[in-house]
Amino acid sequence: SQTIHQWPATLVQPVGSPLSLECTVEGTSNPNLYWYRQAAGRGLQLLFYSVGIGQISSEVPQNLSASRPQDRQFILSSKKLLLSDSGFYLCAWRIGQGAFEAFFGQGTRLTVV
Amino acid sequence: AQSVTQPDIHITVSEGASLELRCNYSYGATPYLFWYVQSPGQGLQLLLKYFSGDTLVQGIKGFEAEFKRSQSSFNLRKPSVHWSDAAEYFCAVMEYGNKLVFGAGTILRVKS
Repeated sequence: SQTIHQWPATLVQPVGSPLSLECTVEGTSNPNLYWYRQAAGRGLQLLFYSVGIGQISSEVPQNLSASRPQDRQFILSSKKLLLSDSGFYLCAWRIGQGAFEAFFGQGTRLTVV
Repeated sequence: AQSVTQPDIHITVSEGASLELRCNYSYGATPYLFWYVQSPGQGLQLLLKYFSGDTLVQGIKGFEAEFKRSQSSFNLRKPSVHWSDAAEYFCAVMEYGNKLVFGAGTILRVKS
């Protein structure tokens, strides 16, 4: 069966520090991968999605970037965190072809101080 | 343009009462539509989905949703709410190119 791993669960980082959040999927090939951010009162904002290795679509110009170095690995990064980067980050995957739902990781709570 | 609109930020219902959460979408083609639920500090769990066929879809935990193309709506319903249903609910649409977009969410409170 397929599983998604997202870590760390919580993270406290100072302003100006770098960030790397990792998401990996097991049990499937060539998934679509997604990064979302959930800030208080702002719903679920799509940040990046990827339909294949090295293919990244950015939805919101900001201080973050994403990479997909392997088929089932999706990394969210920042060179210098801002206070506004605080939030709950969720990774999701879905089967790439056809009508399928997305499955979510347990999320990372990022607090920038 | 906003693809998915959930007009109600908060809804409070009494335990045992019926529930309807609204969702409107704007997408030209036949949409793939979803409802997810999120408990505090957790990831999202799929409640139900619509891809094609019968416009009334059944989901887990006694939820159902009806797709109405003429109204561009996909409202979530439950005939009798339980206290454990208190959570945040998200409607989502799959757009062209496998882009999955969510609404702003509706927080459901259940009063006893």
